[in-house]
Amino acid sequence: DIQMTQSPSSVSASVGDRVTITCRASQGISSWLAWYQQKPGKAPELLIYAASSLQSGVPSRFSGSGSGTDFSLTISSLQPEDFATYYCQQATSFPYTFGQGTKLAIK
Amino acid sequence: QVQLVQSGAEVKKPGSSVKVSCKASGGSFSSHVISWVRQAPGQGLEWMGGIIAIFGTANYAQKFEGRVTITADESTSKAYMELRSLRSDDTAVYYCAGGRIVVEPTTMAGMDVWGQGTTVTVSS
Repeated sequence: DIQMTQSPSSVSASVGDRVTITCRASQGISSWLAWYQQKPGKAPELLIYAASSLQSGVPSRFSGSGSGTDFSLTISSLQPEDFATYYCQQATSFPYTFGQGTKLAIK
Repeated sequence: QVQLVQSGAEVKKPGSSVKVSCKASGGSFSSHVISWVRQAPGQGLEWMGGIIAIFGTANYAQKFEGRVTITADESTSKAYMELRSLRSDDTAVYYCAGGRIVVEPTTMAGMDVWGQGTTVTVSS
């Protein structure tokens, strides 16, 4: 199975900050990586698919990059509604493993 | 736009089984992989398994192999997840989620539609 490792596991930041979360796959997955946002008590929502494609309706302050084994999610200017937990997931083959999550908290 | 609606909360005894359903409305999921993802209290997301309806065969995470069965019925646009031999650590919210297949057989574009979640509580 492909293991996904996210870092950091938690981060504190302020409104307006730029934040980057990284995700590393244990083997190459081309560009088949997805990023999700989850708020407490809610189902996750897809933000980015195929490493860098923005899901319809997602604000342009979210961006993704990377290929192979190393990926990143960047939020260019944090908004109050962005404080949540973020997960990466490899989408190239079964099992579609998730990273352990990154909790983004208000500083 | 496809929406996924799951069955209601369940309370089960240890050793029993639970079967959760997931109905697609507003479209077909035949070109999607339907995954089941669970989240224990305070924990992260855990992919349990998935099924591509047009192929009809399911794939499971090794952790759940032999204890979970995922099926799909295209005629009713429903998918099901049955988990057997329940333990207290199976207490979690269970989600179904759909992702479009972009490269056969199993590469998908990310899970863009999610059910509302079903809380399963395992307690004696």
